Amino acid sequence: GAGVSQSPRYKVTKRGQDVALRCDPISGHVSLYWYRQALGQGPEFLTYFNYEAQQDKSGLPNDRFSAERPEGSISTLTIQRTEQRDSAMYRCASSLGPGDSGNTIYFGEGSWLTVV
Amino acid sequence: EDQVTQSPEALRLQEGESSSLNCSYTVSGLRGLFWYRQDPGKGPEFLFTLYSAGEEKEKERLKATLTKKESFLHITAPKPEDSATYLCAAGSGSARQLTFGSGTQLTVLP
Repeated sequence: GAGVSQSPRYKVTKRGQDVALRCDPISGHVSLYWYRQALGQGPEFLTYFNYEAQQDKSGLPNDRFSAERPEGSISTLTIQRTEQRDSAMYRCASSLGPGDSGNTIYFGEGSWLTVV
Repeated sequence: EDQVTQSPEALRLQEGESSSLNCSYTVSGLRGLFWYRQDPGKGPEFLFTLYSAGEEKEKERLKATLTKKESFLHITAPKPEDSATYLCAAGSGSARQLTFGSGTQLTVLP
């Protein structure tokens, strides 16, 4: 696609429910990133994939958070047993090559999650 | 721990009044210093990447520079459409995970 596409754009869920956020990267982009952005702050790294392999998940806050990219294209970020503190904008990004190649990282418009 | 600090937090300029935004960074193994522009409700939009001290890049009214500890985003004769939040990020690690600052919210008044 023309840009990084995320869905849903807005999600309101009750505390304790599971949510899945979807990311469709720019066509042909090998690397895919998930970031979380709180109001008034810059994005915070969560996890990163090259193709279908999750290379780094050091930024995931706890084991309720997981991500997958089974076919090396679309990715899903899943949050289990959501808590109010999970409320934030979740941003996906992609880049053309593997992370160490100096390629620009392009961001999507994000999925705004509100846990009530 | 990697750290990026931006100043000022907010800046109001009159149209045509040039100024600079500051980004201080402490990163082990810098793999690029990135500047993004973010409009309300939108994702960060890429502006520049700088890789080594002394490097400069320009785009329209914006010029980014890099030293070993800081980067500056210079805005020359800004226009109201330059109003946005400007984010600085340092890339590190094999995946170039980006560590972002909190941004500078720029408002240019007509």
